[in-house]
Amino acid sequence: DQQVKQNSPSLSVQEGRISILNCDYTNSMFDYFLWYKKYPAEGPTFLISISSIKDKNEDGRFTVFLNKSAKHLSLHIVPSQPGDSAVYFCAASWGSNYKLTFGKGTLLTVNP
Amino acid sequence: ETGVTQSPTHLIKTRGQQVTLRCSSQSGHNTVSWYQQALGQGPQFIFQYYREEENGRGNFPPRFSGLQFPNYSSELNVNALELDDSALYLCASSAGTALNSPLHFGNGTRLTVT
Repeated sequence: DQQVKQNSPSLSVQEGRISILNCDYTNSMFDYFLWYKKYPAEGPTFLISISSIKDKNEDGRFTVFLNKSAKHLSLHIVPSQPGDSAVYFCAASWGSNYKLTFGKGTLLTVNP
Repeated sequence: ETGVTQSPTHLIKTRGQQVTLRCSSQSGHNTVSWYQQALGQGPQFIFQYYREEENGRGNFPPRFSGLQFPNYSSELNVNALELDDSALYLCASSAGTALNSPLHFGNGTRLTVT
């Protein structure tokens, strides 16, 4: 039973355009959501997070939107750059920063 | 500051053997979490250690065990290895267990069980 789902295994975007990565969750107990980026042969790197009391959090080119009623969150990257090409993992938690539940990831390719 | 380091980077073991993976946490971090990432999957939580005590565990059998040392480094031990234990094992450290303490991951140990 996958509680965090990233239904798009891959996404290809042109440099300068917007990248939108989606994530759905089923467990209504989740109250904290994170996005991690992973390059090959490296560990995941924290990107941005959002608490369930907010519906938007922005950090530079990265914005995360949370729709609690739909149990859906999305990561927007504007403008996309070739260096953004990586696997992006959505993760969720409740009560603590540990026991993160991850999705399977979406491979983003930004073409020059 | 030194990041999270894991050793070894790659390891090949035979079914039934035992393995120990090691992790040095980032400077100033007192919490270590271990995750298993199977091929094509997201990382799955194994357990967390905070100040040398286990502070939460995922759905892994008891043959997965761990330790945290006074310098906050950590070990993951797996006994009676099975083929399905083949995966990337990720260690992550954080400056506490609060939600605003993001996990900082190491590059992982790739374990292959034959």
